Amino acid sequence: EAQVTQNPRYLITVTGKKLTVTCSQNMNHEYMSWYRQDPGLGLRQIYYSMNVEVTDKGDVPEGYKVSRKEKRNFPLILESPSPNQTSLYFCASSLLAGAPEFFGPGTRLTVL
Amino acid sequence: AQTVTQSQPEMSVQEAETVTLSCTYDTSESDYYLFWYKQPPSRQMILVIRQEAYKQQNATENRFSVNFQKAAKSFSLKISDSQLGDAAMYFCAYRRGPNFGNEKLTFGTGTRLTIIP
Repeated sequence: EAQVTQNPRYLITVTGKKLTVTCSQNMNHEYMSWYRQDPGLGLRQIYYSMNVEVTDKGDVPEGYKVSRKEKRNFPLILESPSPNQTSLYFCASSLLAGAPEFFGPGTRLTVL
Repeated sequence: AQTVTQSQPEMSVQEAETVTLSCTYDTSESDYYLFWYKQPPSRQMILVIRQEAYKQQNATENRFSVNFQKAAKSFSLKISDSQLGDAAMYFCAYRRGPNFGNEKLTFGTGTRLTIIP
């Protein structure tokens, strides 16, 4: 089954404790990205990757890191989480050239 | 920068009736794509419909259709024969064409649709 998977689905942590949210897709998509969803703001892009070893900042990259060592995986790293990073996070992947993005199930992160 | 505006935070419709959700966008680009995504209570983002800007014909997917007005930069979603399972948050999204680097989706703030039995 074609899908984007994320883990964990729910995470409660404390300020400053490094965490990683994993993302994997099995559709051989070149393009992958991370979004955060906050009430009243819709979804905003954090980082994106056009292909292996090619990553760049989206609209709200502060406090986040990513890597793309393999085509299928695109982990999101929070080196020192803060309460303002409490949000719902989505990983997405797609082919390029206007194809729709397919989304993972979301990760609900709470930073205390 | 591109912006997407959904001016209806909430809408409701009687089951089996038709409802139209509005979306406008702003861009200086001529090559782009527009999407409607549905987010039910499960929070999963589900693609509803896709429109290519260079196509004049409005996209349709079963009970879902769009009214794409390129000159007016308007992209509304019409849901016919509304069903209880259509209750969700609906997001309009814009995607740049392939010659502009980051092909990110720019989302509107969403419209929450309630279906009245």
